Amino acid sequence: EPEVTQTPSHQVTQMGQEVILRCVPISNHLYFYWYRQILGQKVEFLVSFYNNEISEKSEIFDDQFSVERPDGSNFTLKIRSTKLEDSAMYFCASNAGQLTGELFFGEGSRLTVL
Amino acid sequence: QKEVEQNSGPLSVPEGAIASLNCTYSDRGSQSFFWYRQYSGKSPELIMFIYSNGDKEDGRFTAQLNKASQYVSLLIRDSQPSDSATYLCAVQTGANNLFFGTGTRLTVIP
Repeated sequence: EPEVTQTPSHQVTQMGQEVILRCVPISNHLYFYWYRQILGQKVEFLVSFYNNEISEKSEIFDDQFSVERPDGSNFTLKIRSTKLEDSAMYFCASNAGQLTGELFFGEGSRLTVL
Repeated sequence: QKEVEQNSGPLSVPEGAIASLNCTYSDRGSQSFFWYRQYSGKSPELIMFIYSNGDKEDGRFTAQLNKASQYVSLLIRDSQPSDSATYLCAVQTGANNLFFGTGTRLTVIP
């Protein structure tokens, strides 16, 4: 069964460093997303991506964050100059594009900023 | 503002009972409504979705939607210990984005 894959599963970084989280969405899907979940809190929308550009972003997704689809398969989230409060689980998701389409989530990348 | 509110729980029910989970949303333009289950440390997994007013049943699960009241609920019949998890209500906008509530933690007591 097709699935969304994310790497790394866990990354530990020092405050101020740059981090890239990688995702391979399901191959025929059209919409790609990043969500984050701080421990014990809700799943928060960060950004959606369609047709090689950002379609919507939340207030959380400021200049510290960027997304890219560098090739036909990968979808990356870059976090520049990480802060302690960036520590969270980051979920990538993809959607086939139907009006009532399910979002398929990857297993997540846990980011710990020290 | 896309607010999704859930009764925060935690909710405990005995095995075999009905668990009732509730959700309200603020954006009247919301089109589809999803219930996800999330086990601790895992990613959300879809239970079911609903987009028309009324009830939708899938096995032991029934989703109910009332767009006039901006209310969606999930009933779990014959609750099992394996149903113990956090249940996330999510609302889908026209841009195909999902916005989640804070979740309701359910514990089914054997």
